[in-house]
Amino acid sequence: GESVGLHLPTLSVQEGDNSIINCAYSNSASDYFIWYKQESGKGPQFIIDIRSNMDKRQGQRVTVLLNKTVKHLSLQIAATQPGDSAVYFCAELPPGSDYKLSFGAGTTVTVRA
Amino acid sequence: DGGITQSPKYLFRKEGQNVTLSCEQNLNHDAMYWYRQDPGQGLRLIYYSQIVNDFQKGDIAEGYSVSREKKESFPLTVTSAQKNPTAFYLCASSVNQETQYFGPGTRLLVL
Repeated sequence: GESVGLHLPTLSVQEGDNSIINCAYSNSASDYFIWYKQESGKGPQFIIDIRSNMDKRQGQRVTVLLNKTVKHLSLQIAATQPGDSAVYFCAELPPGSDYKLSFGAGTTVTVRA
Repeated sequence: DGGITQSPKYLFRKEGQNVTLSCEQNLNHDAMYWYRQDPGQGLRLIYYSQIVNDFQKGDIAEGYSVSREKKESFPLTVTSAQKNPTAFYLCASSVNQETQYFGPGTRLLVL
């Protein structure tokens, strides 16, 4: 399953498939980006981060890709599991922001059994 | 067991009442933050503190107040001036002012 365009609020994925969650960020000079996962009624959980001097970074079952040309960030989840159902949102750290992160609204991922 | 704790999990406010949300961390982080989350919206910054005894207003500070008397603690008071306080409140901390780690949240409801 894949969310396309600027941002889709929901993404439905078959269990076992790969998920791709997209995020368009606003400031071309931002040099740090984070993905968070938030389950219902809980606080956001850090997944993975990436700096602007990198194009790709891998974690456990997750990969973050950064395309600075089009100001686009994506999170790929391999072999999606039911426990991956949550809201995923990206955050960027713009320069001159006094270290204040700017958060996207998020994409709700639902995993179908 | 290190982490960020928030209490209470649910809080009810009566008309004209001030209420205080607790946030404690034992991660030895210098920076702490308070966010408000409304359904379908991104996190909005209320207040942040980069060091003990210092804090700054975020994007939606009106109707809220904070203190930072200890490194581990950053309580948020929702005053009666906040006319629409119903929301999910999240506290976060950071060691390097980049990666922020969040607590479990407090849901504030108005009676």
